[in-house]
Amino acid sequence: NAGVTQTPKFRVLKTGQSMTLLCAQDMNHEYMYWYRQDPGMGLRLIHYSVGEGTTAKGEVPDGYNVSRLKKQNFLLGLESAAPSQTSVYFCASSYGALGKGGQPQHFGDGTRLSIL
Amino acid sequence: KNQVEQSPQSLIILEGKNCTLQCNYTVSPFSNLRWYKQDTGRGPVSLTIMTFSENTKSNGRYTATLDADTKQSSLHITASQLSDSASYICVVSSSGGSYIPTFGRGTSLIVHP
Repeated sequence: NAGVTQTPKFRVLKTGQSMTLLCAQDMNHEYMYWYRQDPGMGLRLIHYSVGEGTTAKGEVPDGYNVSRLKKQNFLLGLESAAPSQTSVYFCASSYGALGKGGQPQHFGDGTRLSIL
Repeated sequence: KNQVEQSPQSLIILEGKNCTLQCNYTVSPFSNLRWYKQDTGRGPVSLTIMTFSENTKSNGRYTATLDADTKQSSLHITASQLSDSASYICVVSSSGGSYIPTFGRGTSLIVHP
């Protein structure tokens, strides 16, 4: 089992360029999440999805869009990249809601994105 | 505002020694508390998950404790190994309907031979 797979692993963009980060999970999980991790800060939730065809905003959604057309995939888009979006992006998935019982959350190994 | 505070920020110990990491939280209503290990360049990996009724849980050499009254948790690592060098993250989820768990900033642990 691959678990949660993120592509690409590294990317360098110029300010104003757009790109899409792909997350795929093979565990049949309903919930999927996109986080960003910056030095000295905890992971912050960008967007999340509670099932195929659904998306919702997290703590820091500005400048990002997401889509969940297939249950196993969750895409994160940057329409016009800015230097402030330089970060490490993590995708995660869980079978159910994290606030209900002991649902484990599985993370990918991240995409390291630099915006010049 | 929900907050999770971890201490110390960083810790250096010798291989074979024990250590304890702390996590204090203000998340309410409480649902569960998780400890993750994050190796450099990798995603977080779950170590333990504790709900309100659980006050201790072990995973090999890792033992987490939870005091829901004082809103404190600790992660104890026994007989440390070089491979324990990592960041340890405390995460608290609310049962209040939000899907947004609150992450601590992590404790960076370095184990020296």
